[in-house]
Amino acid sequence: EPEVTQTPSHQVTQMGQEVILRCVPISNHLYFYWYRQILGQKVEFLVSFYNNEISEKSEIFDDQFSVERPDGSNFTLKIRSTKLEDSAMYFCAIPRDRAGGYTFGSGTRLTVV
Amino acid sequence: KQEVTQIPAALSVPEGENLVLNCSFTDSAIYNLQWFRQDPGKGLTSLLLIQSSQREQTSGRLNASLDKSSGRSTLYIAASQPGDSATYLCAVGNAGGTSYGKLTFGQGTILTVHP
Repeated sequence: EPEVTQTPSHQVTQMGQEVILRCVPISNHLYFYWYRQILGQKVEFLVSFYNNEISEKSEIFDDQFSVERPDGSNFTLKIRSTKLEDSAMYFCAIPRDRAGGYTFGSGTRLTVV
Repeated sequence: KQEVTQIPAALSVPEGENLVLNCSFTDSAIYNLQWFRQDPGKGLTSLLLIQSSQREQTSGRLNASLDKSSGRSTLYIAASQPGDSATYLCAVGNAGGTSYGKLTFGQGTILTVHP
């Protein structure tokens, strides 16, 4: 089963600052996803990325968010100007098989102060 | 818009009990349904995946069923152990013409198994 590493595991940032969250799968994937989970709430879909393009995004994924595949092996989620309400766990996920199963990373806990 | 609901929100049982967690979804046009386990402050671990054409899947002490027409799934845990304590999440895979659709999650059931 593919593994996914997310860095950092925890980041504290001041409101208005930019943050970049990273996701590194153990092998190359064309698809990846970002989800977030605000404390005590549901895991929510943010964006799906296929072959270097956004294939679907939720209403949460506004102009403050962007995703990239900077060097072909890792994926990033950037929040340009963080708000208090961006505090959450952010997970990346990759498909692990053609049955539609997914492997999730261990997450980045973002705290905006 | 797909909505996924899980009941109960929390469950506390003594060790050894068999238990059932419930998941319901509003749109039956799904690709699959998955159950995940989440430990506090940790990521999501996939437990079972049921394709939309399947009725159930089993792994060890876990059995998940799917009734797509009624929009329901259950996760059955046999002979519960304290190590089973975690949050269990149900997630429905979008039937958007590809197996790699987004997931819609329920809010989870917090399970506590006490010795």
